[in-house]
Amino acid sequence: AQKITQTQPGMFVQEKEAVTLDCTYDTSDQSYGLFWYKQPSSGEMIFLIYQGSYDEQNATEGRYSLNFQKARKSANLVISASQLGDSAMYFCAMRSFQGAQKLVFGQGTRLTINP
Amino acid sequence: DADVTQTPRNRITKTGKRIMLECSQTKGHDRMYWYRQDPGLGLRLIYYSFDVKDINKGEISDGYSVSRQAQAKFSLSLESAIPNQTALYFCATSDNDRVGTDTQYFGPGTRLTVL
Repeated sequence: AQKITQTQPGMFVQEKEAVTLDCTYDTSDQSYGLFWYKQPSSGEMIFLIYQGSYDEQNATEGRYSLNFQKARKSANLVISASQLGDSAMYFCAMRSFQGAQKLVFGQGTRLTINP
Repeated sequence: DADVTQTPRNRITKTGKRIMLECSQTKGHDRMYWYRQDPGLGLRLIYYSFDVKDINKGEISDGYSVSRQAQAKFSLSLESAIPNQTALYFCATSDNDRVGTDTQYFGPGTRLTVL
């Protein structure tokens, strides 16, 4: 079974600073994908970034990057130059490419950007 | 226009009532999913469908049923609603057109309250 752990229930960061949101995962599968989603106060779930287990390069999407350390089973999200609009809940998720291929979510981290 | 729509967006109902939540997508994706989100928890999978004839239970399917009326439509029913089904419900879609990604895109959510 897969499990996602996000150990930071809440984080407070000053605007324009970089922030790292932690995510560790547990799986016995060799082939899987890792995802980050943003949930603003309005409630929708917004896809941010994807990393495949066999991807050698860390994924990047604009100000978002994923610090993927396969041996440590971690997939931390890095947001550079944080903005007030980055305040939201952030969820890490993974999907195995074997078996039922279900997406499993962590409990989330609430990020607050202070002006 | 939104690619994934959910109706209704908000619903208040009473214990014992039958409720149907509807999801439609214009993304042309084969795969559709229903999740629920409770405060302090990540999203949990209720049901998923990889095509019109393939419907599978998720981790918390008890008390729910689904119908995949067409590629673009996936409905979730609560046959006899109970208060602990009060939650935010999300529909999602994904397209398995490339090995490895299968990114899920979410609808705006339906906030359901069972009194």
